[in-house]
Amino acid sequence: KNQVEQSPQSLIILEGKNCTLQCNYTVSPFSNLRWYKQDTGRGPVSLTIMTFSENTKSNGRYTATLDADTKQSSLHITASQLSDSASYICVVSSQTGANNLFFGTGTRLTVIP
Amino acid sequence: DTGVSQDPRHKITKRGQNVTFRCDPISEHNRLYWYRQTLGQGPEFLTYFQNEAQLEKSRLLSDRFSAERPKGSFSTLEIQRTEQGDSAMYLCASRLSGGDTGELFFGEGSRLTVL
Repeated sequence: KNQVEQSPQSLIILEGKNCTLQCNYTVSPFSNLRWYKQDTGRGPVSLTIMTFSENTKSNGRYTATLDADTKQSSLHITASQLSDSASYICVVSSQTGANNLFFGTGTRLTVIP
Repeated sequence: DTGVSQDPRHKITKRGQNVTFRCDPISEHNRLYWYRQTLGQGPEFLTYFQNEAQLEKSRLLSDRFSAERPKGSFSTLEIQRTEQGDSAMYLCASRLSGGDTGELFFGEGSRLTVL
């Protein structure tokens, strides 16, 4: 069964600190993995995409990693800012199927001053 | 702005009433998706269209739900005889078909509250 699990469910950190969010998946055959940021009351926005051959990709203070062997991805946020407070959703695409997108339940990050 | 737009952004209705949401995708995108999202959860797939054809519907989409995409442009999602359990954010997203790496662009969502 194609599933995406994220941890932790929620996280509170102090402004300026780093944090890492996890995504484990069982989606097969794997195509790509995206991390989305969703501000409260808004639609999700893509942060980064990881394909099978990519191990690490950065987007400013966000760095995503992918281990296709263990089917794990992480999103590392450096020097957190108050504006990083949001839900971060992991979405994994399979190569087959009419609807080939599988969503995690997200990690709710709160950055406090 | 040429992003995905949804209307209305907020809807409060009484149980038993019908509601309709509209989604205007990015103009060149031929795939359009509807998702439902409740507090603290990720988006749950409801249905999707390729052009005007509705290709898949989730089991979540009961008989009270219907979606259309006439002429392959905008889409509507109608909920008949609303129930309190229908209260959620309804998200629309669009993307280009072909290729597996196409980004899904989301609208801001339509938040439904059923009293």
